[in-house]
Amino acid sequence: SQQGEEDPQALSIQEGENATMNCSYKTSINNLQWYRQNSGRGLVHLILIRSNEREKHSGRLRVTLDTSKKSSSLLITASRAADTASYFCATDAGFTGTASKLTFGTGTRLQVTL
Amino acid sequence: GAVVSQHPSWVICKSGTSVKIECRSLDFQATTMFWYRQFPKQSLMLMATSNEGSKATYEQGVEKDKFLINHASLTLSTLTVTSAHPEDSSFYICSAEYMGQNEKLFFGSGTQLSVL
Repeated sequence: SQQGEEDPQALSIQEGENATMNCSYKTSINNLQWYRQNSGRGLVHLILIRSNEREKHSGRLRVTLDTSKKSSSLLITASRAADTASYFCATDAGFTGTASKLTFGTGTRLQVTL
Repeated sequence: GAVVSQHPSWVICKSGTSVKIECRSLDFQATTMFWYRQFPKQSLMLMATSNEGSKATYEQGVEKDKFLINHASLTLSTLTVTSAHPEDSSFYICSAEYMGQNEKLFFGSGTQLSVL
């Protein structure tokens, strides 16, 4: 079974709106990462938040982590049509400093319309 | 930034043939690479961890004789799907660790395999 479960599975919004997607996981982690995948392409790393961090920002991205609830959220502000993609959370429960065996969530497919 | 090149982007083959997919780290050395399989609208499933100079570590349920992995150099790992069947049709993606940014992965662009 997937370590990470994301919701919603699909999200459709209009350009300019904010998009929020959530990720829940089951085991203790060292860090949680978010990746983006355009259709038929590989994944691109967006942001990493460590287990001792609660919030992190990168441009229009804001990530939160609640280790007590084993959940994370990714907020994309002022969305653009180019943000249309699938977004995956990935948890790393391995040794600190390595990306060994990242476990990916089920993904949220975001559609941003004009 | 670190670039991972995966080739080919797509391949169509007849049932029973073997297909080789290459994953190259273009501007860095990758001692560890990972191979994933992804079905439409689903997540990535880790198939195996490829270590330079040693045998790959396969995940439970992945047939090592079916999916041959070779990591002969610090910049190249290959996945060979042997005696491919239609059920092997899928999107295969590789990723690599980049020393200095160990905690995140850099991904190839993926290979869409269609077995007729």
